[in-house]
Amino acid sequence: SYDLTQPPSVSVSPGQTARITCSGDALPRQYAYWYQQKPGQAPVVVIYKDRERPSGIPERFSGSSSGRTVTLTISGVQAEDEADYYCQSADSTGTSYIVFGGGTKLTVL
Amino acid sequence: QVQVVESGGGLVKPGGSLRLSCAASGFNFSDYFMTWIRQAPGKGLEWVSYISSSSTYIKYADSVKGRFTISRDNAKNLLYLQTNSLRVDDTAVYYCARGDGGKYPSSYYFYGMDVWGQGTTVIVSS
Repeated sequence: SYDLTQPPSVSVSPGQTARITCSGDALPRQYAYWYQQKPGQAPVVVIYKDRERPSGIPERFSGSSSGRTVTLTISGVQAEDEADYYCQSADSTGTSYIVFGGGTKLTVL
Repeated sequence: QVQVVESGGGLVKPGGSLRLSCAASGFNFSDYFMTWIRQAPGKGLEWVSYISSSSTYIKYADSVKGRFTISRDNAKNLLYLQTNSLRVDDTAVYYCARGDGGKYPSSYYFYGMDVWGQGTTVIVSS
């Protein structure tokens, strides 16, 4: 099966920059999406197609891609950004399955 | 506004069945792929199934293949997930989400999800 690997946790102080990585063999060939999920709430897409930001998502959220790794960057982190973040992509081996990373808990110190 | 609303969750015994529904509004439902994703208590997100706009293309995760069936009614703007032979480890919040996908002449692509519902809870317990 195809896996996406994320660090379990990332901690930053308010105003600093948080970077959350996601690694997977298919990422050079498949788009990545990033979802933010706060406790008790549904996920919300914050980045789609590697680096596109939906309307209504603050500019401090950005995405990038390099080889097998995609990165979600949150510049000038705010307390309200504390949440779980999941990357997601599609399997490129022919199954066309959708795969999520294990999630990263962002803690704002 | 664009939204999807799930319903149909509940408490069911192992081996039982439930039909989950998802009502879409604010967009042209028949133009979009739709998906189901679930999240077990305290766990991460797990993709369950997706269906193309005209039901031509359907995929299931291995964990539910043969037990769950996804379907849609474009005339009613409704998405369904029939869940049979439920197991304790199917206990989860089930989310409906609009998919970002499309068709090629003889194939399709599916990238991700852009609109999520609030979820409906399925508890499988004796």
